[in-house]
Amino acid sequence: GAVVSQHPSWVICKSGTSVKIECRSLDFQATTMFWYRQFPKQSLMLMATSNEGSKATYEQGVEKDKFLINHASLTLSTLTVTSAHPEDSSFYICSARLAGGKETQYFGPGTRLLVL
Amino acid sequence: GQNIDQPTEMTATEGAIVQINCTYQTSGFNGLFWYQQHAGEAPTFLSYNVLDGLEEKGRFSSFLSRSKGYSYLLLKELQMKDSASYLCALMDSNYQLIWGAGTKLIIKP
Repeated sequence: GAVVSQHPSWVICKSGTSVKIECRSLDFQATTMFWYRQFPKQSLMLMATSNEGSKATYEQGVEKDKFLINHASLTLSTLTVTSAHPEDSSFYICSARLAGGKETQYFGPGTRLLVL
Repeated sequence: GQNIDQPTEMTATEGAIVQINCTYQTSGFNGLFWYQQHAGEAPTFLSYNVLDGLEEKGRFSSFLSRSKGYSYLLLKELQMKDSASYLCALMDSNYQLIWGAGTKLIIKP
């Protein structure tokens, strides 16, 4: 149980294009989903917290107009990287927390983004 | 504010035991997590401690002392596949995870 999927797993795109990443909780309802970014050999960096049906809460230094988050249902959150640039190349990982639960976050497999 | 410290890297031998320590400072505490992350992959959940003491789960055990702001992850009978980064994460008063930088564990034959 508690499986989280992400799609796509790999994205290569040209600079200036927008990329959409989906995060789904497959066998549970997730009131809260989290979006992280991880650069090589660095720790996870929380970008934003996404609550179903409300606006995401962004961490300091993360541009909300560049990283659009939508959490339209209890099983799906999307992250759209708008006008991606090479410096946005990173490993993007989502996690989901059980509805009504305040503990364990379950992670998706991650999405590697390479912007050329 | 919060602060989490764990060693950057550790080396151990296959079949041996290794203990990865994590110390923290926080004003609000709702538990401490350990995650395993293999290179190029997302973290996977290992353990959660919210009360003092030792939680054993197969080859892996996790210990917490809230009064000392201290936790450790104990790995027994090390296998080559245990080579990974081990992330200590603190859950704060808002139920948000605060992540340590991770400890890279290298297992040698």
